[in-house]
Amino acid sequence: DTGVSQNPRHKITKRGQNVTFRCDPISEHNRLYWYRQTLGQGPEFLTYFQNEAQLEKSRLLSDRFSAERPKGSFSTLEIQRTEQGDSAMYLCASSLARGQNYGYTFGSGTRLTVV
Amino acid sequence: DAKTTQPPSMDCAEGRAANLPCNHSTISGNEYVYWYRQIHSQGPQYIIHGLKNNETNEMASLIITEDRKSSTLILPHATLRDTAVYYCIVRLAYNQGGKLIFGQGTELSVKP
Repeated sequence: DTGVSQNPRHKITKRGQNVTFRCDPISEHNRLYWYRQTLGQGPEFLTYFQNEAQLEKSRLLSDRFSAERPKGSFSTLEIQRTEQGDSAMYLCASSLARGQNYGYTFGSGTRLTVV
Repeated sequence: DAKTTQPPSMDCAEGRAANLPCNHSTISGNEYVYWYRQIHSQGPQYIIHGLKNNETNEMASLIITEDRKSSTLILPHATLRDTAVYYCIVRLAYNQGGKLIFGQGTELSVKP
């Protein structure tokens, strides 16, 4: 079990640049979630996929954000024209969508700093 | 919006039990209570979850009140490595995406 892998761990970018993060979930997990966490706050839900379908997007996910999960495997989260307010930890989690009793495994996150 | 309320911080002496309270008065019947913890700069780590019965695993015990409006996480013998932010979370129903809705968490400091 290799767990949930996120890359890169850290990203520093200039305001206005585009950035892309990658999440590799646990292989048999068919649900994948993205969360954002700012300093001193709990993680906030952004979006989730079941297999390759993106089923929900939070109102926090502005038009500058896009997420994909081609073939239901890894997922990418892209932020276009980054702003300083985008600075945060971006967390990915995966789970099995099976019955009512399933757990979630989180990755270590990607910390984005926009300067 | 968060569905849980926790005290912002707590202290515990090493070797003693840590009892972390959580209120979730608006929880629905098919929503689970999950507990995760987060050590600085790492992703949240699963501890335990439950629906209405008390649960115990190798890490902790979860006590849920009969009306399900509150719960308590118990770390039976806290160590310095248990110092972390502990999140009490409501997991939405499967047909609502099964999302975890985090609150602000409790920062637990275990002291020697």
